[in-house]
Amino acid sequence: DARVTQTPRHKVTEMGQEVTMRCQPILGHNTVFWYRQTMMQGLELLAYFRNRAPLDDSGMPKDRFSAEMPDATLATLKIQPSEPRDSAVYFCASGLQGGTEAFFGQGTRLTVV
Amino acid sequence: GQQLNQSPQSMFIQEGEDVSMNCTSSSIFNTWLWYKQDPGEGPVLLIALYKAGELTSNGRLTAQFGITRKDSFLNISASIPSDVGIYFCAGLLIQGAQKLVFGQGTRLTINP
Repeated sequence: DARVTQTPRHKVTEMGQEVTMRCQPILGHNTVFWYRQTMMQGLELLAYFRNRAPLDDSGMPKDRFSAEMPDATLATLKIQPSEPRDSAVYFCASGLQGGTEAFFGQGTRLTVV
Repeated sequence: GQQLNQSPQSMFIQEGEDVSMNCTSSSIFNTWLWYKQDPGEGPVLLIALYKAGELTSNGRLTAQFGITRKDSFLNISASIPSDVGIYFCAGLLIQGAQKLVFGQGTRLTINP
């Protein structure tokens, strides 16, 4: 059963700490998206990659957020230093180049206190 | 930036009733997608629409891609308790990269 896997599912951290979220895209998918979901803003695209190269990260605060794909099976989203306003659910999604559908993971619920 | 206006924001209905929700935009999209999100889960794709005017069904769900390419609707017939959740429309722009733009969601609550 192919699915996008995200870890951890939940993370509570103190303000100022570094947070790293991980995503394993569906095998064979070469496009990976990072979304953030909040009550106020809904689903916002933070960044996305194709064939491990960043295509668009205009939705991501550059001063504290960074996204990478060390290899085709792992995408990471890092926040350093974290702030309370970063509290949200972060979703990773993957898809195929030329395809239109994005398949979502279960998300990482981040709480920064 | 591009925005999708999804309505209604929430719905409270009786089990067995039909449901209708829609999305509109000032931008033209070449693909419309409808997702459902259950509590604690990520959005799951329900229906994908690729052509203006296209009408597609998936069980009790029916969705249409508007002729103008700027709108789409989703209907659910004979609602059941497991239909509860948040429904999102998403559009893929004609120009630009493979970026989905999401609506704000419609929260569906069903009274048994």
